[in-house]
Amino acid sequence: GENVEQHPSTLSVQEGDSAVIKCTYSDSASNYFPWYKQELGKRPQLIIDIRSNVGEKKDQRIAVTLNKTAKHFSLHITETQPEDSAVYFCAVGENTGFQKLVFGTGTRLLVSP
Amino acid sequence: DSGVTQTPKHLITATGQRVTLRCSPRSGDLSVYWYQQSLDQGLQFLIQYYNGEERAKGNILERFSAQQFPDLHSELNLSSLELGDSALYFCASSVVREGPNEQFFGPGTRLTVL
Repeated sequence: GENVEQHPSTLSVQEGDSAVIKCTYSDSASNYFPWYKQELGKRPQLIIDIRSNVGEKKDQRIAVTLNKTAKHFSLHITETQPEDSAVYFCAVGENTGFQKLVFGTGTRLLVSP
Repeated sequence: DSGVTQTPKHLITATGQRVTLRCSPRSGDLSVYWYQQSLDQGLQFLIQYYNGEERAKGNILERFSAQQFPDLHSELNLSSLELGDSALYFCASSVVREGPNEQFFGPGTRLTVL
């Protein structure tokens, strides 16, 4: 089955800095790569996703890049703000008829004012 | 609000007991997924149902079972509860069509086993 690794486990930045979180996966057939943000005690919320036929996607301060050859993808947050502080999970959608997501272990992002 | 509802919000019970968690998917979504999130842990996939049928199984214990009913709501049954079963349980739903589909998460049920 799919195996997803996520790094770093914690990330502390100053407000206004950029943050980058990286994930690697094992199954080259996987074709869907979402990122979720989870605040303490709340539900995971999708913030951006990318499909395998696209190398990069951007939404305001958030971008995701995908390297299918190397089997890794990254989340980039620019101009970080204190409200960006949360746990971020990457996930990989298996290329089966009814996809389930395999999640990374999460990155706790702390943005200090 | 994702449109996915879960009840109850909190559940406190004792070891050895049995509980049922309920999930109603977004209108129109046929697929329901269950996840377990232990304290400071990631999301572990448990099981997936599509239109009433089990479609995928993850790290679900034999003490746990689930089903999806004709009205598409789903229930996760946890029996012979142990302290280690204390966790947040999320369900998610998606529209299953050709290609990858976004999963929308419910607010979760926090289970505490004493």
